[in-house]
Amino acid sequence: QVQLQQSGPGLVKPSQTLSLTCAISGGSVYSNSATWNWIRQSPSRGLEWLGRTHYRSKWYNNFAVSVRSRITISPDTSKNQFSLQLNSVTPEDTAVYYCAAASGAYGDVAFDIWGQGTMVTVSS
Amino acid sequence: QSVLTQPPSVSAAPGQKVTISCSGSSSNIGKNYVSWYQQLPGTAPKLLIYDNNKRPSGIPDRFSGSKSGKSATLGITGLQTGDEADYYCETWDSTLNAVVFGGGTKLTVL
Repeated sequence: QVQLQQSGPGLVKPSQTLSLTCAISGGSVYSNSATWNWIRQSPSRGLEWLGRTHYRSKWYNNFAVSVRSRITISPDTSKNQFSLQLNSVTPEDTAVYYCAAASGAYGDVAFDIWGQGTMVTVSS
Repeated sequence: QSVLTQPPSVSAAPGQKVTISCSGSSSNIGKNYVSWYQQLPGTAPKLLIYDNNKRPSGIPDRFSGSKSGKSATLGITGLQTGDEADYYCETWDSTLNAVVFGGGTKLTVL
């Protein structure tokens, strides 16, 4: 079955770019039924969906309004993974970041597969 | 402020039943399927219910979901101490064009 493995730094300086990667095993980023998502969680904001990428004969993206101007989610087809970049971070971006997939077995927005989570702190 | 509204906490005794509500609007719960997640301390959320009332394989039938209009409900029967966790509702919002979550409900099994 599909598994997700996250990687990336746990500390980012204010105004810099947060970058995380999610490697997919047991499945393909080209899946025509799955969506590949980034979700974060903090005590102040709870669970917050950031955005997704998915392939349906071509690549599509959707992003949350709150981060739309600062976010990039990209598939890396050569490595079968997808990534998150969040620009111009502030301490408010401090959170546990999860990659998550809706495999398609349970619908487009039912997240049945999760990465292990990465605690990212924004601090100088 | 979360788009979907849940009670911050609920509690019940072992063996009892509890329900957790999730209130939204016509642009989210009113027109899209609802999912529910269980999050144990220090772990990622786990899918409990999808498409309003369906359980993924491996989820016991003690967990159930329902939806009516702009609200959804998660029910848990035969409460166990291992059910103590945070529970979240989630759906798609057709106006925001985004996934939205509830603020979460902490379940205490007394």
